[in-house]
Amino acid sequence: DTEVTQTPKHLVMGMTNKKSLKCEQHMGHRAMYWYKQKAKKPPELMFVYSYEKLSINESVPSRFSPECPNSSLLNLHLHALQPEDSALYLCASSLQTSGAFEQFFGPGTRLTVL
Amino acid sequence: AQSVAQPEDQVNVAEGNPLTVKCTYSVSGNPYLFWYVQYPNRGLQFLLKYITGDNLVKGSYGFEAEFNKSQTSFHLKKPSALVSDSALYFCAVRDNYGGSQGNLIFGKGTKLSVKP
Repeated sequence: DTEVTQTPKHLVMGMTNKKSLKCEQHMGHRAMYWYKQKAKKPPELMFVYSYEKLSINESVPSRFSPECPNSSLLNLHLHALQPEDSALYLCASSLQTSGAFEQFFGPGTRLTVL
Repeated sequence: AQSVAQPEDQVNVAEGNPLTVKCTYSVSGNPYLFWYVQYPNRGLQFLLKYITGDNLVKGSYGFEAEFNKSQTSFHLKKPSALVSDSALYFCAVRDNYGGSQGNLIFGKGTKLSVKP
């Protein structure tokens, strides 16, 4: 299995809602990433988990809360988002963070905040 | 500062013609370079990478890239473009410095348009 899956594909939420994005991989990768991507722009790194521990938080607002329950799963909990948070949220994984291992990306969750 | 530059916002090519998407980089230490492609409303797909060795790297879908150390470039090439190659292409370099070591630094992306 060489795939990263993400659910849901699309999500519309109000500014007071709480929702979660889910990411899963079964490639035995020990590094997992969350990115935010605006239209026609490069992905912006949000969080990095290495061996299920949060290793990098790129100064992301606390309304985004990551969680890594096990080596195959990565969640992103959303609460009190703003309309400017509307974007494509991409999950990725790689064998590990060190070395030159390529990252495999999921198809993304298209988030709209009303 | 480490960075990646893709000087062209858009590249237009006729189907069957060769294509080149340009990328230059600035990084401390040895560069680890990557190319990704993104089709509309999809995630990024890995095409190829350069770590060391042969300067010409072959990747997926007939793409290849040429590493040039003296020009700090890593241009993506394909001998004969297909309409289905039309997409957004990102060059990336591994961050070798500081707290984000190991992560990818992306270029701004180049939109490739292949016309029949």
